[in-house]
Amino acid sequence: DAMVIQNPRYQVTQFGKPVTLSCSQTLNHNVMYWYQQKSSQAPKLLFHYYDKDFNNEADTPDNFQSRRPNTSFCFLDIRSPGLGDAAMYLCATSGTGPYEQYFGPGTRLTVT
Amino acid sequence: AQSVAQPEDQVNVAEGNPLTVKCTYSVSGNPYLFWYVQYPNRGLQFLLKYITGDNLVKGSYGFEAEFNKSQTSFHLKKPSALVSDSALYFCAVGPGGFKTIFGAGTRLFVKA
Repeated sequence: DAMVIQNPRYQVTQFGKPVTLSCSQTLNHNVMYWYQQKSSQAPKLLFHYYDKDFNNEADTPDNFQSRRPNTSFCFLDIRSPGLGDAAMYLCATSGTGPYEQYFGPGTRLTVT
Repeated sequence: AQSVAQPEDQVNVAEGNPLTVKCTYSVSGNPYLFWYVQYPNRGLQFLLKYITGDNLVKGSYGFEAEFNKSQTSFHLKKPSALVSDSALYFCAVGPGGFKTIFGAGTRLFVKA
């Protein structure tokens, strides 16, 4: 009965080699979010989708892109990963309104 | 500037004792307030939220939180701590739209 699924759970990539992380949801929520979390710090919002409407945070590097082909799926693309991009990447979903977010288990990205 | 403060990096409590994890916020208007818990190598998990109404909010796993508008606080509480409550706790505020501001997190250690 998993609600927000992230694949893979662990990803190792080389410096500069593009990588894609995926997220899917069974909640039929309108809103999907991508967060970056480093070393048990507060999650940092990278961007979110409200349906197909993409909203980028002002301080999200251009190196990070996202796609949402349909309601259920959302992808995070890192075009040229640097060592500083090693982190846990969290996908979350919510309904519209003052609703709580449902998080996936995260993908831990290692850059070698 | 909108912000959430969790003044304690770590809280230590003995099993069976009451616990409090503190949170204060600085947001204009009437924000929505949330608590999330994160276990190692997992995503965040929603515990409870305050939208409006009764200042004492009850949530999952026996947790509750008290909203205090005059002190702009939203402290998380539990009458009797369990070892399994040991985790990282995040306070969050939704100032409006889809933006959520997370606190830096408080690590809770419950000793047997």
